[in-house]
Amino acid sequence: AQSVAQPEDQVNVAEGNPLTVKCTYSVSGNPYLFWYVQYPNRGLQFLLKYITGDNLVKGSYGFEAEFNKSQTSFHLKKPSALVSDSALYFCAVRAGGYQKVTFGIGTKLQVIP
Amino acid sequence: SAVISQKPSRDICQRGTSLTIQCQVDSQVTMMFWYRQQPGQSLTLIATANQGSEATYESGFVIDKFPISRPNLTFSTLTVSNMSPEDSSIYLCSVPLGGSGGTEAFFGQGTRLTVV
Repeated sequence: AQSVAQPEDQVNVAEGNPLTVKCTYSVSGNPYLFWYVQYPNRGLQFLLKYITGDNLVKGSYGFEAEFNKSQTSFHLKKPSALVSDSALYFCAVRAGGYQKVTFGIGTKLQVIP
Repeated sequence: SAVISQKPSRDICQRGTSLTIQCQVDSQVTMMFWYRQQPGQSLTLIATANQGSEATYESGFVIDKFPISRPNLTFSTLTVSNMSPEDSSIYLCSVPLGGSGGTEAFFGQGTRLTVV
């Protein structure tokens, strides 16, 4: 069975500071990893993905994530946080070739002006 | 990316009634997924809907409660039957898109259901 852990319910960061939202995963075989963002009263928006290749992937709105196979982690990062980044962030995983996606419980990011 | 339209965007329903949620995609897709997001919770997969076959339900979800139709490659419906307040959630449809094998999933805006 595949699973995702997001150990922090909420992350607070000052505007302009770097941010990290943590994610670890468990899956059989090669993982496909994703980050999504959900703004209030909105659906999920795709941010970025890791399928294969470079461990550092870049996505929308200046976000990036680093795949670490040995630590089974896929942490989301941004060099300089904006107040508008405040939202709920979901990490997700699926096994390659298998379409079912498993989501983490979500981490609320609060960027403080 | 894809344009996924869900209707209705929100509804308030009486307990014991049923609500049918529609999901329309602007391109043909083999698989569509229906998720539930209960208040303050993550997304839970309800079922996978393939065109031309019965939907595949996840553990804890049954066809009598959540019947699904998939009449063509761009459309699906999810019905929440005999509703109770515990069914109050956001319901989202999703399709895999984006390259060979359909890697990332795209989501509709969701249907916010409140059962009173």
